Amino acid sequence: ETGVTQTPRHLVMGMTNKKSLKCEQHLGHNAMYWYKQSAKKPLELMFVYNFKEQTENNSVPSRFSPECPNSSHLFLHLHTLQPEDSALYLCASSQEFYASNNYGYTFGSGTRLTVV
Amino acid sequence: AQRVTQPEKLLSVFKGAPVELKCNYSYSGSPELFWYVQYSRQRLQLLLRHISRESIKGFTADLNKGETSFHLKKPFAQEEDSAMYYCAPSDNDMRFGAGTRLTVKP
Repeated sequence: ETGVTQTPRHLVMGMTNKKSLKCEQHLGHNAMYWYKQSAKKPLELMFVYNFKEQTENNSVPSRFSPECPNSSHLFLHLHTLQPEDSALYLCASSQEFYASNNYGYTFGSGTRLTVV
Repeated sequence: AQRVTQPEKLLSVFKGAPVELKCNYSYSGSPELFWYVQYSRQRLQLLLRHISRESIKGFTADLNKGETSFHLKKPFAQEEDSAMYYCAPSDNDMRFGAGTRLTVKP
């Protein structure tokens, strides 16, 4: 599949569970991002990776732990989440860091996370 | 602080009417400017970029540096334009506005 692929599409987890979200792109992009999209808040940037190096952690709680083993794959490891963490988690990629070459971001379809 | 504001959460127009979605930004430099769209049950996708001066699906966006605005416009709205629209300035930090939900009524 071309573009940005996120798995799973839906995830329900208990507050004591540990789970991981996966994002994959084969666009040759160098930068990847995790965003959180909640119903009542703007899109929130969580983490930024450029050439698989983390460049930004936007004051995200430690119960969210990103991992970027290579430029094509990005993970978000989740543990001891709270119900307020329920949201749509979006992965995006761009050719250059923060789309500085003006080609913008390519987004995945997201993982709809529900914490019970 | 860098900020982007989309003052209208909801916007409703009739088919064939002009539509303008507002975006104001406050940045210390000169950010690059983008509009993204999210149709129902589809992923967020790039709609247009200021730098390319393009018209996509009949939409254009005008940059007004004096007012620091980047409003999205279409002269004749269509029902298929109903979606969420996000303004996103980028300057070593891509921020998204809160979004405007556009509904085009028949």
